[in-house]
Amino acid sequence: DTGVSQDPRHKITKRGQNVTFRCDPISEHNRLYWYRQTLGQGPEFLTYFQNEAQLEKSRLLSDRFSAERPKGSFSTLEIQRTEQGDSAMYLCASRSLAGVYNEQFFGPGTRLTVL
Amino acid sequence: RKEVEQDPGPFNVPEGATVAFNCTYSNSASQSFFWYRQDCRKEPKLLMSVYSSGNEDGRFTAQLNRASQYISLLIRDSKLSDSATYLCVVTKESNYQLIWGAGTKLIIKP
Repeated sequence: DTGVSQDPRHKITKRGQNVTFRCDPISEHNRLYWYRQTLGQGPEFLTYFQNEAQLEKSRLLSDRFSAERPKGSFSTLEIQRTEQGDSAMYLCASRSLAGVYNEQFFGPGTRLTVL
Repeated sequence: RKEVEQDPGPFNVPEGATVAFNCTYSNSASQSFFWYRQDCRKEPKLLMSVYSSGNEDGRFTAQLNRASQYISLLIRDSKLSDSATYLCVVTKESNYQLIWGAGTKLIIKP
């Protein structure tokens, strides 16, 4: 499968614990995006990378959130001291700068439940 | 005011009917426009891009009105498999970040 993959698909954790999600983009896609989606809402932008550089972070991304893309390939999103409000679907998308029409390809998402 | 607004629905439509959704956006500098489809508990998938001249893909027609800042999606001869949430998306000029509407839920009934 050459699409975007995310791991884990589901994560249940207790409030206060740290969690880390991984995203493997389509190979050679320069840009990688993280979004968060809560029930009944569209995805909300969190951050994006161009290769290994993190170029923009949303104000939604509090200090408890950190994302990395150390070698310009896979990315991780870590949430420290999770809160119940962090419960959401975390979506990763990738895009090639050479691609037409700005299409972003999405992974299946990681569904986080904070108890 | 949200940057992209959609009627959340649900739209309950009989199979074979035609249904249309509208979406409005607030940033006149938005560059690109899309409709995504999202099935329950799945990731969004690109349905079609929206071009200034309007475009059609099979039973689906998308139109853009820049002057009034709205985008429309028309589905003809609707199928049961069209049941999903349809998300309107625009891009920010600077970094092609996607700005999403909350989605319109469509239910096609036999």
